[in-house]
Amino acid sequence: GAVVSQHPSRVICKSGTSVKIECRSLDFQATTMFWYRQFPKQSLMLMATSNEGSKATYEQGVEKDKFLINHASLTLSTLTVTSAHPEDSSFYICSARGTGNEQFFGPGTRLTVL
Amino acid sequence: DAKTTQPPSMDCAEGRAANLPCNHSTISGNEYVYWYRQIHSQGPQYIIHGLKNNETNEMASLIITEDRKSSTLILPHATLRDTAVYYCIVSPLTGTASKLTFGTGTRLQVTL
Repeated sequence: GAVVSQHPSRVICKSGTSVKIECRSLDFQATTMFWYRQFPKQSLMLMATSNEGSKATYEQGVEKDKFLINHASLTLSTLTVTSAHPEDSSFYICSARGTGNEQFFGPGTRLTVL
Repeated sequence: DAKTTQPPSMDCAEGRAANLPCNHSTISGNEYVYWYRQIHSQGPQYIIHGLKNNETNEMASLIITEDRKSSTLILPHATLRDTAVYYCIVSPLTGTASKLTFGTGTRLQVTL
C-alpha cells in the first residue's frame, strides 16, 4: 500500500507551547488528508478533514483555533496544537486519500504535554 | 451513533481461520464496508473493502451478506502478528461524507 509518514513520531513539550506535526504522503498525491486523535484504550476520533488549498472542516467539538490545520500541497498537511496543555496529550494520527479513494494512515505522533 | 456493531474481543488459535463479524444494519446503498486493523501504538492498516460482492486479497477475505446488513472478515490462517484491534467501518466511497469514523472494534488475540 501507499506510504504516509508523520514527523515527529514522539514529542514532549511544556504547557503553553505550540507543537507542529507533519503528515506526508510519500508516493502519491493526497487530495484529502484527515487528522485523528486517540486517547489510551480508546478508539480513533476524527478531528478534521482537509483538502489541498482549502480550509479544513472540523468535527463537532474540535476547536479550530486550537488545532490549526494547513494542507498547502498535495503531499503535506500540518497540524499545530496551539498553547498545548496536559489534556492535549494524546496519539495524533493522520491519513491521506488519493485518487484511488483508499485511505492510508501514518504511524502516529505521540504528544506529551508536561 | 455507531453505524457498526462488533464483538469487543475474540480469541483465535494460531494457524486457524479468524472470522470477525460486523453488523451494519443501517448501511446505505452507496456505503462501502471497510476493514482496518490497528496493532498497538501504530497507525491503522487497511485490510480490505467491498460494496456487495465478496472480496479477497492477499491479507483477507470479506464476505458481505446479500442484504448487506452484516459482513465477516476472514483471516484464513491467523498468526501471532495478526493480534490487533480490527475495525469495521461503513462509508461512501467519494464525496464530503466519505470519511472513516472508527467504532470500538474487535480486539483479536491470536494464541499459540
